[in-house]
Amino acid sequence: QSALTQPASVSGSPGQSITISCTGTSSDIGHYNYVSWFQQHPGKAPKLMIYAVTNRPSGVSNRFSGSKSGNTASLSISGLQTEDEADYYCYSYTTASAYVFGTGTKVTVL
Amino acid sequence: VQLVESGGGVVQPGRSLRLSCAASGFTFSTYGMHWVRQAPGKGLEWVASIWYDGSNTYYADSVKGRFTISRDNSKNTLSLQMSSLRAEDTAVFYCAREKYGDFSVDYWGQGTLVTVSS
Repeated sequence: QSALTQPASVSGSPGQSITISCTGTSSDIGHYNYVSWFQQHPGKAPKLMIYAVTNRPSGVSNRFSGSKSGNTASLSISGLQTEDEADYYCYSYTTASAYVFGTGTKVTVL
Repeated sequence: VQLVESGGGVVQPGRSLRLSCAASGFTFSTYGMHWVRQAPGKGLEWVASIWYDGSNTYYADSVKGRFTISRDNSKNTLSLQMSSLRAEDTAVFYCAREKYGDFSVDYWGQGTLVTVSS
């Protein structure tokens, strides 16, 4: 159950677009379309942003989108806003009937 | 939907502790539930999950054999019994509701801090 691999940090200016990658294996991301993304602000509980690779829960801005290719999933944020500055984690179901988080990415809005 | 964790605190290495999560605002007995933890300054780690009826449970390798997840659907309560605690178990523990059919979680509690220290 090794953590999924994410870049430690990604930054962008307001209005720009950024993409966060999440690399797993054929036993998790590559096997199922059950990848989620969570946003976490300091001292707060995580918030679901994307589920089942591409789906947004009600209330989540359409500036957030998800995709997957092979063993790698991605979260894209367009029109970057100051409130997007947070930690982001990917999450996948695995063939061991378990779950695994990514290592986390700190998004900084310059 | 509201999830409220309790039971955290300071505990000595090797001792046990039981966490609880009180659920309200939804039909608890129809949802799978999860525990997720976050060590201070670190990332999220899935700990355990349980089916809606308690018939199946799953654990991270790091806690298997030491932690037990359970639920009481008559009391809308999720529990995590932790034994043989280690310093590396120090974390904020969150309970979370499984998003039906999507192998994700959609609602989280605010967490309870467990500190394992002598």
